[in-house]
Amino acid sequence: GAGVSQTPSNKVTEKGKYVELRCDPISGHTALYWYRQSLGQGPEFLIYFQGTGAADDSGLPNDRFFAVRPEGSVSTLKIQRTERGDSAVYLCASSLTETGIYGYTFGSGTRLTVV
Amino acid sequence: QKEVEQNSGPLSVPEGAIASLNCTYSDRGSQSFFWYRQYSGKSPELIMFIYSNGDKEDGRFTAQLNKASQYVSLLIRDSQPSDSATYLCAVGTGGFKTIFGAGTRLFVKA
Repeated sequence: GAGVSQTPSNKVTEKGKYVELRCDPISGHTALYWYRQSLGQGPEFLIYFQGTGAADDSGLPNDRFFAVRPEGSVSTLKIQRTERGDSAVYLCASSLTETGIYGYTFGSGTRLTVV
Repeated sequence: QKEVEQNSGPLSVPEGAIASLNCTYSDRGSQSFFWYRQYSGKSPELIMFIYSNGDKEDGRFTAQLNKASQYVSLLIRDSQPSDSATYLCAVGTGGFKTIFGAGTRLFVKA
């Protein structure tokens, strides 16, 4: 597509529930990143995919968070047993180059609220 | 020490003035440096990237990099009210991830 598409744009869920956040990167971009942004903070790195594999998942906060990209395009970020502290805007970005040296294009984000 | 530090602001400048935004980073091995603009409620948008020491100009924007001082800055000339936003400094660590600062809020008064 023309831009990075994220769905849903907003998600409200109850504490303890499971959620999935979807990202469809720019066509042809092999590098895909997930970031999380809390109010008043900069984006915080979660995970990076090069193709189908997670090249760096060092930013995932704990084992409740998991992400996949089975066909090297669309990615899904999965959060189990959600907690109120998971509330944030989850941003997906893609990059034409493997290392992102020309910067990222971000999607519009998914605002997750855990109540 | 945070990896990428920015003054949170707000920085307030009158319309037509030069806005100067600053950033320091801790990893001396960092390779690439970025400035993103983020309007309230929107996602970050890339403005500029710079890799080499010195200045890089693009329209009203100039990025400056000093690797010896681990310092990056962004100058916005002829500031407009539409430039009012949060400006995020970001640093590529040489691996695959980019580390963002918390951002500086800029207000341009008409």
